Amino acid sequence: AQSVSQHNHHVILSEAASLELGCNYSYGGTVNLFWYVQYPGQHLQLLLKYFSGDPLVKGIKGFEAEFIKSKFSFNLRKPSVQWSDTAEYFCAVPSGGSYIPTFGRGTSLIVHP
Amino acid sequence: NAGVTQTPKFQVLKTGQSMTLQCAQDMNHEYMSWYRQDPGMGLRLIHYSVGAGITDQGEVPNGYNVSRSTTEDFPLRLLSAAPSQTSVYFCASSQFGGTEAFFGQGTRLTVV
Repeated sequence: AQSVSQHNHHVILSEAASLELGCNYSYGGTVNLFWYVQYPGQHLQLLLKYFSGDPLVKGIKGFEAEFIKSKFSFNLRKPSVQWSDTAEYFCAVPSGGSYIPTFGRGTSLIVHP
Repeated sequence: NAGVTQTPKFQVLKTGQSMTLQCAQDMNHEYMSWYRQDPGMGLRLIHYSVGAGITDQGEVPNGYNVSRSTTEDFPLRLLSAAPSQTSVYFCASSQFGGTEAFFGQGTRLTVV
């Protein structure tokens, strides 16, 4: 079954710094990939998704991610973070015969004003 | 448009008590699932359903039961609560496997 791993568990940045969060998935073939965001005290919501086509995917709030098949990676990026980006970020991939979302352990991002 | 609704939002249980966490969705999604979120562990799948009358176990099913009698509802039952079940529980639904999941607001459960 597909799985994802996130290598950065805690990231602390100052406002206007650039952000890149790593996500690697377990094997190749057809793959759908997602990034979800969870703001403090809230539920998860979709940030962006990749199904096929252009490997550079743009999401909400200025986030983007690049699907690199040769590296099994789907890293999340933002050129200039804001204090309001403080949240937990999860990479996810549909897994198993029923393609239920499987999540990475998450990255806690703190942005200092 | 309510989306995915979970109740209650907060619950404190004593060890050994049972309870049901409710989850309802109004998007006519076939797929529904329950996760628990613990610090540093991400979201772990407890049980899921691919349609009314069909359920299956996820990664951490022990101590939990589910049923899916309608498309809309997917309750999670704790049979005999244990402190290890202290967690935040999220219900999610999706149109079918592999698509975007929509989440409820979560239930914060404490077992003392």
